[in-house]
Amino acid sequence: DAGVTQSPTHLIKTRGQQVTLRCSPKSGHDTVSWYQQALGQGPQFIFQYYEEEERQRGNFPDRFSGHQFPNYSSELNVNALLLGDSALYLCASSRTGNSNQPQHFGDGTRLSIL
Amino acid sequence: DAKTTQPPSMDCAEGRAANLPCNHSTISGNEYVYWYRQIHSQGPQYIIHGLKNNETNEMASLIITEDRKSSTLILPHATLRDTAVYYCTVPGAAGNKLTFGGGTRVLVKP
Repeated sequence: DAGVTQSPTHLIKTRGQQVTLRCSPKSGHDTVSWYQQALGQGPQFIFQYYEEEERQRGNFPDRFSGHQFPNYSSELNVNALLLGDSALYLCASSRTGNSNQPQHFGDGTRLSIL
Repeated sequence: DAKTTQPPSMDCAEGRAANLPCNHSTISGNEYVYWYRQIHSQGPQYIIHGLKNNETNEMASLIITEDRKSSTLILPHATLRDTAVYYCTVPGAAGNKLTFGGGTRVLVKP
């Protein structure tokens, strides 16, 4: 049973560029959340997708956008990249139904901005 | 969302029990407490969660105080592979958004 998978594992971009990160949820999960983790800090919530719509959003600018597909996979897009966007981007999936279902994380995409 | 407070670091001897405290004094009556750990270069790994009763699974035990304002994660027999950053989080009644603080950096020593 595959867990949460993310691609690519590493990515290098320059300032001003745009990036798309991808996530496939754990089998049986229908909800996907994205987090940003700067070096030495805990993950910070970006947004969550359910039924192909953004359900909740954290304190991130509109440069951060997402999408969820009918097969529950998801993309995170970041436009006009800044040096401060360098971080580990984590995807987590869960099963909606009971609000106490735990989120399960992938190993992330390490994004470096030059 | 309830704010959590954890000690920044702790050491533990291999084979001994590790007791990791977490304070969540602003927790509401229907909010769960979740514990995750993150080993270097990996994503956070779910460990256990609970509402008011003590919980146990193959990884750990979770003890929640009667007033629910604090909890303790117990790793019964710590191994070197348990070295990680451990996070306690209370995501709120909707359970949508996990808020991570700095966590506790646990170093298991031989």
